[in-house]
Amino acid sequence: AQTVTQSQPEMSVQEAETVTLSCTYDTSENNYYLFWYKQPPSRQMILVIRQEAYKQQNATENRFSVNFQKAAKSFSLKISDSQLGDTAMYFCAFTLYGGATNKLIFGTGTLLAVQP
Amino acid sequence: ETGVTQTPRHLVMGMTNKKSLKCEQHLGHNAMYWYKQSAKKPLELMFVYSLEERVENNSVPSRFSPECPNSSHLFLHLHTLQPEDSALYLCASRDTGRYNEQFFGPGTRLTVL
Repeated sequence: AQTVTQSQPEMSVQEAETVTLSCTYDTSENNYYLFWYKQPPSRQMILVIRQEAYKQQNATENRFSVNFQKAAKSFSLKISDSQLGDTAMYFCAFTLYGGATNKLIFGTGTLLAVQP
Repeated sequence: ETGVTQTPRHLVMGMTNKKSLKCEQHLGHNAMYWYKQSAKKPLELMFVYSLEERVENNSVPSRFSPECPNSSHLFLHLHTLQPEDSALYLCASRDTGRYNEQFFGPGTRLTVL
């Protein structure tokens, strides 16, 4: 069975600084996707960034980038130039490749507070 | 309206009431999901529908009854709920041909008295 672990329940960062959120996962499969989702206080869960396991290059989306270490089963999220609007719960998620029934397995989340 | 919408956004009900949650996706996706989000717990997958057919029921009590009349709409019918069912209920949709990511609605905050 696949599992996702986020070991940092809460984090805080000053505005304009950089923060890294940790995520580890466990699977015996080789083809999968990893995601970071953001859930602001308004509650709508939105996708921040995705990584296909077969790609060695780390994904980036503007100020968001990941450090994907497949052998170590680690998938951390780096937020550069943090903004107040980045305050949210961040969830790391895993799914196997293909199929409607493939589940998104979520971690328990990291609550990030960006301080002015 | 775009994306995934859910109504109502807030619902308070007694244990003997019957109510329904509605989800609608405007993305042309072919799979839809119900999740339960409780404080300090990972999101729990409840049901999966693919092309209007239920393909997964994740050991959910029968007091929760899903319905998917077409690929754009998903309902969760509630009856004789318990206080521990109070949670945020999230709907999501997905295009199974692309990327495997799911798009979420804003959720319904359910309180059972």
